[in-house]
Amino acid sequence: NAGVTQTPKFQVLKTGQSMTLQCAQDMNHNSMYWYRQDPGMGLRLIYYSASEGTTDKGEVPNGYNVSRLNKREFSLRLESAAPSQTSVYFCASGLWSHEQYFGPGTRLTVT
Amino acid sequence: QKEVEQNSGPLSVPEGAIASLNCTYSDRGSQSFFWYRQYSGKSPELIMSIYSNGDKEDGRFTAQLNKASQYVSLLIRDSQPSDSATYLCAVLVGGGATNKLIFGTGTLLAVQP
Repeated sequence: NAGVTQTPKFQVLKTGQSMTLQCAQDMNHNSMYWYRQDPGMGLRLIYYSASEGTTDKGEVPNGYNVSRLNKREFSLRLESAAPSQTSVYFCASGLWSHEQYFGPGTRLTVT
Repeated sequence: QKEVEQNSGPLSVPEGAIASLNCTYSDRGSQSFFWYRQYSGKSPELIMSIYSNGDKEDGRFTAQLNKASQYVSLLIRDSQPSDSATYLCAVLVGGGATNKLIFGTGTLLAVQP
């Protein structure tokens, strides 16, 4: 039981490049989330998926897209990376009680 | 006013003491509250959830909720150096399918040996 896994762990992009962050969970949770964490800003919700087939914007969705591929997998895509997207990205999955469990994170630097 | 507020710290306590971490929130309709622990360079880890007014104890941890005052706290008894981490308060806001967790910016706890 791996919990929530994320790939890659680290990534460096040049401005304008694109990439997809992958997330998978094996806990049979319906809800999945993408957050970014920046110093002094705390965790901010980018997008979430309350159930398979649905996605909704969070607090900071601009510049990102998501795909809920199936119940296990939820990916985050940066179409044209910008230095402001340098951050640590966490995927989480959650229960009906809204307890959320986080993956190990992806550290992204955009130069 | 931020939706969830925490003192950023650092809160420094000696080993064996009680550490008290506090959080206030702005949405009076919130019903679910969580405490996460985050070690430096790691991901947040859920340590406590609380849904009703009063105290909830789990080992050395006690969560306290006062909905009238919009205040939630975490007490750590017999603090250990391994408790040194950032503690994040999270509050569930919204309703139905739009429920979302809003996180505070965290309080850094340093337990001195």
